[in-house]
Amino acid sequence: LAKTTQPISMDSYEGQEVNITCSHNNIATNDYITWYQQFPSQGPRFIIQGYKTKVTNEVASLFIPADRKSSTLSLPRVSLSDTAVYYCLVGDITGANNLFFGTGTRLTVIP
Amino acid sequence: KAGVTQTPRYLIKTRGQQVTLSCSPISGHRSVSWYQQTPGQGLQFLFEYFSETQRNKGNFPGRFSGRQFSNSRSEMNVSTLELGDSALYLCASSLLGLAGAGSYNEQFFGPGTRLTVL
Repeated sequence: LAKTTQPISMDSYEGQEVNITCSHNNIATNDYITWYQQFPSQGPRFIIQGYKTKVTNEVASLFIPADRKSSTLSLPRVSLSDTAVYYCLVGDITGANNLFFGTGTRLTVIP
Repeated sequence: KAGVTQTPRYLIKTRGQQVTLSCSPISGHRSVSWYQQTPGQGLQFLFEYFSETQRNKGNFPGRFSGRQFSNSRSEMNVSTLELGDSALYLCASSLLGLAGAGSYNEQFFGPGTRLTVL
């Protein structure tokens, strides 16, 4: 099973761009990379998903290098409301790897 | 469209008792997955049901079981409760489930049920 490694925590000031990198050295050909955001006492919420290169939506960008062994979630100009835990998941076609959220990265945005 | 609902939101039980948690997925979603979240272990997958059949299962003891009804609503049962079962139990629904053709489907999570075992 593909396993992901993320930093446990990160701090950032308001207005800055935040990049959270996730390592997934054993990613398989059929695996997609997905990021979720979770606020305290709430369920996780889907942010973005990608397979290769770059994906951008209204919330974030996802950068995936050619070897796909890592990915970087980029949050532009963070605000205090972006303080949350961010999870990186790697999932294959059966969805089995999507089951492992791990402990995520706790992002704290400082005023 | 209404989101995923879970009942009850909070529950207090004592060791040895059993508990049943309920999850109503988004209308039209056929997959329901259950997760346990604790401060030490993070978010851990319990099982997934799709069209009333358990399709994926995590690494939890047999005390944890579930089922899904024909209307896609799902229940999770924990028997012989232990102190370590205290956690936030989250349910997530998706249209086609964890196994998508070429991609996987976004999961929509409910607010969770916070279970405290005394």
